[in-house]
Amino acid sequence: AQRVTQPEKLLSVFKGAPVELKCNYSYSGSPELFWYVQYSRQRLQLLLRHISRESIKGFTADLNKGETSFHLKKPFAQEEDSAMYYCALSPSQAGTALIFGKGTTLSVSS
Amino acid sequence: KAGVTQTPRYLIKTRGQQVTLSCSPISGHRSVSWYQQTPGQGLQFLFEYFSETQRNKGNFPGRFSGRQFSNSRSEMNVSTLELGDSALYLCASSWGTGRGGELFFGEGSRLTVL
Repeated sequence: AQRVTQPEKLLSVFKGAPVELKCNYSYSGSPELFWYVQYSRQRLQLLLRHISRESIKGFTADLNKGETSFHLKKPFAQEEDSAMYYCALSPSQAGTALIFGKGTTLSVSS
Repeated sequence: KAGVTQTPRYLIKTRGQQVTLSCSPISGHRSVSWYQQTPGQGLQFLFEYFSETQRNKGNFPGRFSGRQFSNSRSEMNVSTLELGDSALYLCASSWGTGRGGELFFGEGSRLTVL
């Protein structure tokens, strides 16, 4: 079955601390994975995708096919990083359809 | 440029009624997809339209339907509403229908079924 699991509902860290939001997936084919983010009172928006191999707002994510994971990391959290983060999988032959995880709320406090 | 626009933003219906939600994509975007968001199930894919054709469909009953017009605007309809249909319905648009494309989301239509 195709599935995305985000094991943490809530992750609370202090400003300046490292952050790792976990994402595991179940997919038999070649995965394409994304992180979407929703800041307070804003729309859901793309943060990064694994095919781009880019760093956005200091966040990076590496696809680990052996562990079927796509964890999102940032070395030093900022208060403005507080948001809801969703990991998503694009199955092949499915156009733009995404399978989303349930999301993790990141709370960064000073 | 203007973002994805969804109307209405909020609506209340009673069981058995039907509802139509509208989505205007970003200008130039030809793909529109719909998602249902609930606290229990999270974000679930409903369907995707491209050039007025349904390209993909999620695992939802036939009461959920949609269509896309020649100007890429899309509507989704839910007939014979059930209490469990209460949710935030999100529309997303993208330029094409290729895998890996960035989705641009609207603010959603919040449906409450009484």
